[in-house]
Amino acid sequence: QKEVEQNSGPLSVPEGAIASLNCTYSDRGSQSFFWYRQYSGKSPELIMSIYSNGDKEDGRFTAQLNKASQYVSLLIRDSQPSDSATYLCAVKEEYGNKLVFGAGTILRVKS
Amino acid sequence: AAGVIQSPRHLIKEKRETATLKCYPIPRHDTVYWYQQGPGQDPQFLISFYEKMQSDKGSIPDRFSAQQFSDYHSELNMSSLELGDSALYFCASRRLGGSRETQYFGPGTRLLVL
Repeated sequence: QKEVEQNSGPLSVPEGAIASLNCTYSDRGSQSFFWYRQYSGKSPELIMSIYSNGDKEDGRFTAQLNKASQYVSLLIRDSQPSDSATYLCAVKEEYGNKLVFGAGTILRVKS
Repeated sequence: AAGVIQSPRHLIKEKRETATLKCYPIPRHDTVYWYQQGPGQDPQFLISFYEKMQSDKGSIPDRFSAQQFSDYHSELNMSSLELGDSALYFCASRRLGGSRETQYFGPGTRLLVL
């Protein structure tokens, strides 16, 4: 079992809708969580970081963290075709510096 | 704003050859991470350096080595290349004490081993 699990998708939503991306992790001691967006052949681009339980909003993006359930999600409001990409959930484990990535969820926003 | 620089951006090698990938972190960033991403795969952590010392080690093959220099740039040396080494290699950097653990990725080096 991967340490960070994501539904690979593809997740298809119409333009203007809310896209909901989910991620679970196994290391209960993890404290830092990140969402990266990656276009094909490009490098991961940081979208959101979250460290405390609850919601964190930044523009059209909202990250949600529930440490008790070991669950982190990303909501994208008013989805645009340019949001179509692979979204990688990354977790920094309790011990060590590395990021552990999920397999990524492919998001397709249809115009 | 300055970003992470990687060179070369593309590299073609043959089996059993060697390759050196370079990474120049964001100015004032003191920690460098190397990741390997195969086709359709998520990035896999290879190795990291903080203040020129190895700080963490992941799934880096023994054929690979890396170091961080006094100017904080890092090089990943790959020997006896195999077909399976074909992948995107990303470098990421972070500043200790900066916005909590955030790693910023470079554009990557695409390595093709023939």
